[in-house]
Amino acid sequence: AQTVTQSQPEMSVQEAETVTLSCTYDTSESNYYLFWYKQPPSRQMILVIRQEAYKQQNATENRFSVNFQKAAKSFSLKISDSQLGDTAMYFCAFRAAFQGGSEKLVFGKGTKLTVNP
Amino acid sequence: GAVVSQHPSRVICKSGTSVKIECRSLDFQATTMFWYRQFPKQSLMLMATSNEGSKATYEQGVEKDKFLINHASLTLSTLTVTSAHPEDSSFYICSARKTGLENQPQHFGDGTRLSIL
Repeated sequence: AQTVTQSQPEMSVQEAETVTLSCTYDTSESNYYLFWYKQPPSRQMILVIRQEAYKQQNATENRFSVNFQKAAKSFSLKISDSQLGDTAMYFCAFRAAFQGGSEKLVFGKGTKLTVNP
Repeated sequence: GAVVSQHPSRVICKSGTSVKIECRSLDFQATTMFWYRQFPKQSLMLMATSNEGSKATYEQGVEKDKFLINHASLTLSTLTVTSAHPEDSSFYICSARKTGLENQPQHFGDGTRLSIL
């Protein structure tokens, strides 16, 4: 079974600064997808960024980027130029590739990020 | 694109009432939808995988007769909490993934806050 671990229950950062959220996972699958989802106080789950395990290049979406280390099973999220609107719970999630694997998303426990003015 | 609508957003009802929650994919077809439950300050826990035209697959520990799932079309899945009790109070979230696109992420509805008095 896959597991996802987020070791930082809470973090805070000053507006305009950079913050990195950690995520590690455990799996025996060779092909899979990794995601970071954001859940603001409104409770809606918003996809921030995703990474396909077979791609070596780290995914980037504007101010959000990941550091994907497949051998170490690590998938951290870097938020640059933090904005007040980035305040939210951030969940790291794993999904095996469909063929031969489950479509289920396995979530970490989340990291509560607060951006301070 | 990839919008998932969940209704209602909030339900308050008496103990013993059955409550139906709808999850619709508005601009895509979804053979598979997922139902999650989230307790306060906790992560999302998968309850069941809803399969169009067939029985849902429930996670271990989830009562099938308590949480009835129907996925009658490619754009609609419903979760019915039967004879709800206060311990069923929680935040329920559905998600859906575009059929046929294996590398697409799940898209989430806005969630339903269920409060049983």
